[in-house]
Amino acid sequence: NAGVTQTPKFQVLKTGQSMTLQCAQDMNHNSMYWYRQDPGMGLRLIYYSASEGTTDKGEVPNGYNVSRLNKREFSLRLESAAPSQTSVYFCASSVVQGSYEQYFGPGTRLTVT
Amino acid sequence: QQQVKQSPQSLIVQKGGIPIINCAYENTAFDYFPWYQQFPGKGPALLIAIRPDVSEKKEGRFTISFNKSAKQFSLHIMDSQPGDSATYFCAASKSVNQAGTALIFGKGTTLSVSS
Repeated sequence: NAGVTQTPKFQVLKTGQSMTLQCAQDMNHNSMYWYRQDPGMGLRLIYYSASEGTTDKGEVPNGYNVSRLNKREFSLRLESAAPSQTSVYFCASSVVQGSYEQYFGPGTRLTVT
Repeated sequence: QQQVKQSPQSLIVQKGGIPIINCAYENTAFDYFPWYQQFPGKGPALLIAIRPDVSEKKEGRFTISFNKSAKQFSLHIMDSQPGDSATYFCAASKSVNQAGTALIFGKGTTLSVSS
């Protein structure tokens, strides 16, 4: 039981490049989330998926797109990376949307130069 | 707007001390108040949570105190140890399956416990 896994762990992009962050969970959870963590800003929700087939914007969705590929996988795409998107990205999951108990992955550290 | 305000931003205590981290919220629709612990290089993990109809909850050395009328809650760590050094986030959640953002996090407190 791996919990929530994320790939890659580290990534460096040049401004304008695109990439997809992958996330998978093996806990049969219905809901999945993408957060970004910046120093002094806490965790801010980018997008979430309450259940398979649905996605919704969070607090900071601009510049990102998501895909809920199936119940296990939820990917985050940066179409044209900007330096402001330099951050640590966390994927999380919960049994149902709204649960206070979320399980986080180990994070992806992204640097955009 | 920030719906959960957390303080202090950083905290240094000696081993055995009792660090206290405070949070305040605005929205009375929140119905659970969890705390998450994050070690460097790791994702946050749920530490302890409380409902607003309970004034205190203890789990081991960790205690949440909740003041519903003041819309404030705090985390106390008894007999703190160097292994407690981490970043702590308070949060607030809305009812399960309610539309919209489910979990609102505070900005975090970096705790350092010196030996």
